Amino acid sequence: GIQVEQSPPDLILQEGANSTLRCNFSDSVNNLQWFHQNPWGQLINLFYIPSGTKQNGRLSATTVATERYSLLYISSSQTTDSGVYFCAVEYTPLVFGKGTRLSVIA
Amino acid sequence: ETGVTQTPRHLVMGMTNKKSLKCEQHLGHNAMYWYKQSAKKPLELMFVYNFKEQTENNSVPSRFSPECPNSSHLFLHLHTLQPEDSALYLCASSRDLDYQETQYFGPGTRLLVL
Repeated sequence: GIQVEQSPPDLILQEGANSTLRCNFSDSVNNLQWFHQNPWGQLINLFYIPSGTKQNGRLSATTVATERYSLLYISSSQTTDSGVYFCAVEYTPLVFGKGTRLSVIA
Repeated sequence: ETGVTQTPRHLVMGMTNKKSLKCEQHLGHNAMYWYKQSAKKPLELMFVYNFKEQTENNSVPSRFSPECPNSSHLFLHLHTLQPEDSALYLCASSRDLDYQETQYFGPGTRLLVL
């Protein structure tokens, strides 16, 4: 089956810092989504981005489908950004990576 | 708020108990999903329903029994669970059964099996 690898597994940031999270996948996919799981366990969809670049406030994402990776950028991080960030690819069904655990400290 | 609610939020049960998890979506979606999230593991898809019909069962043990009485409600009935079944159980819905559709997740039920 398809492999979805995320890096880094853990990340600690000072509030206000920027970061880049990476998602690599081993096969062609039609769909890629980024999710944020907050400390209470709820999963929030951030982006549906099979290719190209999208921005939403301080977050942006870029997927280069031909090279099988996606990047999630977080700028001016805030403590509320803490949690686990997952990427998921459509490979019938959605296949999730193990996530990047982000801790933003004040 | 994503429009998907789950109850209870926390559940502790013994291995001989029977309990049910409930999911309700207020988004008018036709597809609903159960996921299991164990510690340090990727999310695992358990069941998929489309228009109340089960379309996928990813080799889930029979001690987990889903029920979808209508497009807005999804249940997961639990019986004779094992301690390794302790996990966060997430429900999700999407407009259609097309994995290109965005899935909206509920807050999850954190289950502990003793």
